[in-house]
Amino acid sequence: GAVVSQHPSRVICKSGTSVKIECRSLDFQATTMFWYRQFPKQSLMLMATSNEGSKATYEQGVEKDKFLINHASLTLSTLTVTSAHPEDSSFYICSARGGTGATNEKLFFGSGTQLSVL
Amino acid sequence: DAKTTQPPSMDCAEGRAANLPCNHSTISGNEYVYWYRQIHSQGPQYIIHGLKNNETNEMASLIITEDRKSSTLILPHATLRDTAVYYCIVIPRYNTDKLIFGTGTRLQVFP
Repeated sequence: GAVVSQHPSRVICKSGTSVKIECRSLDFQATTMFWYRQFPKQSLMLMATSNEGSKATYEQGVEKDKFLINHASLTLSTLTVTSAHPEDSSFYICSARGGTGATNEKLFFGSGTQLSVL
Repeated sequence: DAKTTQPPSMDCAEGRAANLPCNHSTISGNEYVYWYRQIHSQGPQYIIHGLKNNETNEMASLIITEDRKSSTLILPHATLRDTAVYYCIVIPRYNTDKLIFGTGTRLQVFP
């Protein structure tokens, strides 16, 4: 089945640094990618939706200048947390949708990235 | 806002069937019902989806009511490894609308 690869799985960084998270669709073209954030024991919170070649659409309350999303190709989207602070520590998950036929009907998720900002 | 509501938690004895309900009373005609589950610190795993007919695969069965306003995910013989948070979401077919998750149901399978 279709696979979405997300890297890194875990990152620890100092406050003030920027962190980039990659999300790749391995065997299908992802026309749409979604980025979620999840705090412990809570549900996934949608941060933004990105379509290939266009600017991402951010949810209310999500700072676009802090969470930079790039979806430059049909197989890759990146989320960059700029000038990270301890409150940005969270579990970030990407998902992708695309392909044709039955694949198009599904939403596939990456394995998530645990970000810890010291 | 999420278009689905689920009970926050459920328990199930190992080997018994786990029946997880989901309410989606505002579902529209072109929206599918999808079920995912998430084990701690992992990305959600696809389980099953359907439009209006009942569906079955190697993991579970999905029962959708005739009016499509609710559905039930059935794990026929729950195991300890089925302990997870189960999410029911509605997804438009061929549409790129944002996808909002509800709170899900935390299923605890006990020995």
